[in-house]
Amino acid sequence: GAVVSQHPSRVICKSGTSVKIECRSLDFQATTMFWYRQFPKQSLMLMATSNEGSKATYEQGVEKDKFLINHASLTLSTLTVTSAHPEDSSFYICSARADRTEAFFGQGTRLTVV
Amino acid sequence: AQKITQTQPGMFVQEKEAVTLDCTYDTSDPSYGLFWYKQPSSGEMIFLIYQGSYDQQNATEGRYSLNFQKARKSANLVISASQLGDSAMYFCAMREEDAGTASKLTFGTGTRLQVTL
Repeated sequence: GAVVSQHPSRVICKSGTSVKIECRSLDFQATTMFWYRQFPKQSLMLMATSNEGSKATYEQGVEKDKFLINHASLTLSTLTVTSAHPEDSSFYICSARADRTEAFFGQGTRLTVV
Repeated sequence: AQKITQTQPGMFVQEKEAVTLDCTYDTSDPSYGLFWYKQPSSGEMIFLIYQGSYDQQNATEGRYSLNFQKARKSANLVISASQLGDSAMYFCAMREEDAGTASKLTFGTGTRLQVTL
């Protein structure tokens, strides 16, 4: 299957700083990538849809200025958590659509804000 | 209303036995896809199986099969010959192919499967 690489897998940052998470499709071009957030023992909640070369589409309740998404190329999308606070601590995971029958996920990033 | 419903928060199955994980969905879109993912404790989401709404036959992938009952709007995952490594969270997801949904996946709340000796 297609490979989606997400980096870093774990990050600890201080409150007030920003953290960037990268999502790369390694062996296919992904015009659309998706960013999810998952709280412990809960399901994945879609945060935003990232389209190459255009602004991301955010889900209701997701702060655009706090979660900056950039989709610079057909193989790279980044999520930047700005001015992070402890309540932003969570598991963030990206996915990229390869074709109509599959959607592949990155390994996820566990963010801890202290 | 919930688009994807997984009513089993947790399931136990004995090694080598088969287990069925339930999933029901709700959509008015005639074209949609149903997915099952496995999430081990490491957190990665592993794609298991896909069923398209127009597919005539139930999808199968190795020990995984999808019991697709369109009229009942159910897409249960059947794992045959369970192995200890199957212990994980399992998520059912749906993608509506309507042009306005950007093909995003909607997930159920998941079922934690524990395989015992």
